[in-house]
Amino acid sequence: DTGVSQNPRHKITKRGQNVTFRCDPISEHNRLYWYRQTLGQGPEFLTYFQNEAQLEKSRLLSDRFSAERPKGSFSTLEIQRTEQGDSAMYLCAIGGSYEQYFGPGTRLTVT
Amino acid sequence: GENVEQHPSTLSVQEGDSAVIKCTYSDSASNYFPWYKQELGKRPQLIIDIRSNVGEKKDQRIAVTLNKTAKHFSLHITETQPEDSAVYFCAASRGGLTGGGNKLTFGTGTQLKVEL
Repeated sequence: DTGVSQNPRHKITKRGQNVTFRCDPISEHNRLYWYRQTLGQGPEFLTYFQNEAQLEKSRLLSDRFSAERPKGSFSTLEIQRTEQGDSAMYLCAIGGSYEQYFGPGTRLTVT
Repeated sequence: GENVEQHPSTLSVQEGDSAVIKCTYSDSASNYFPWYKQELGKRPQLIIDIRSNVGEKKDQRIAVTLNKTAKHFSLHITETQPEDSAVYFCAASRGGLTGGGNKLTFGTGTQLKVEL
């Protein structure tokens, strides 16, 4: 148990629909990250929160993507107008100054 | 930005043999190098890491070495067992930043298969 839960674990949606994923750290961590992992590749950084502030966003995060972390606890990642290319595993990670520990991920399939 | 290259992409060894996976990085400011093990359908699991002030770190059957001058680091697994079969990812980041994130840049992964 790495101290992070993610919901839902699997999501199938039709192209053009909006989806929202949630990441819940079990214990307090001021740093929270979102990554995306496609089949056969390593995770790619999407965005980073320190407490409730979103401090860094990857250029991979198009304007269809938005992330929030109200109150510096759980975080949500929303994808609007989904495209087939959005199909991937979306991973949340928590950590300190160095180590990062991943949640189980949400697997998104866009049909 | 950082670029991490990882070799080989697949590695097959006999049980009990050693396995070595190598990575190179491009950003000389990177100072933290973790290794993750990912089994099929599961989360990446941090198995060992090394910071740039150390040249080698060992934890039971796994060890990591770092050559800052050459910008490469390696994962060594000795006495391999079938349960070591998985995909291994190296990563690099600028860790320890006050008020800043240490986003990880990952390699492309190595599929390790330990055969009986």
